[in-house]
Amino acid sequence: DARVTQTPRDKVTEMGQEVTMRCQPILGHNTVFWYRQTMMQGLELLAYFRNRAPLDDSGMPKDRFSAEMPDATLATLKIQPSEPRDSAVYFCASGLEAGELFFGEGSRLTVL
Amino acid sequence: SQQGEEDPQALSIQEGENATMNCSYKTSINNLQWYRQNSGRGLVHLILIRSNEREKHSGRLRVTLDTSKKSSSLLITASRAADTASYFCATDALTDSWGKLQFGAGTQVVVTP
Repeated sequence: DARVTQTPRDKVTEMGQEVTMRCQPILGHNTVFWYRQTMMQGLELLAYFRNRAPLDDSGMPKDRFSAEMPDATLATLKIQPSEPRDSAVYFCASGLEAGELFFGEGSRLTVL
Repeated sequence: SQQGEEDPQALSIQEGENATMNCSYKTSINNLQWYRQNSGRGLVHLILIRSNEREKHSGRLRVTLDTSKKSSSLLITASRAADTASYFCATDALTDSWGKLQFGAGTQVVVTP
């Protein structure tokens, strides 16, 4: 049963700490997205990869956020240093170009 | 900024009734998709409609697309308690990288037994 796997599911950390979220996309998918979901802003697109190359990260605060795909089976989203306003649920999704997206269950981040 | 905006923000209906929600978007699109999200879970794809299609069905779901009005609707017929969820439209805008999906704010649907 192919699915997108995200870790950790829940993370509580203190302001200033580094946070790394990981995503294993579905094998064979060539697009990977990172979204952030909050009550106030809804679903915000942070970064978007195709064939491991970053296509668009305009939605991501560049000074503290970074997204990478070290290989086809792993996408990472790093926040350094974290701030309370980064508290949200972060979703990874993968798919084939211009088709449906398959979402992971999300990583719930709380920054104190 | 969000490309799609859903209406209404919230909808409460009884089992057996139909639920209709609308999505308006700003720029020309390649396709429009609808997703469902149960509380605390990830989004699940429901249906994709391409810009050259006007209507699509999948089980109890019916989606329409009016590109002249830049709007789409999702109809859930004979609703069930299990349909309680948030529903989002997502657009793949022509002006963006192919396949880049942007989501609306969602419609929260509650179906009471």
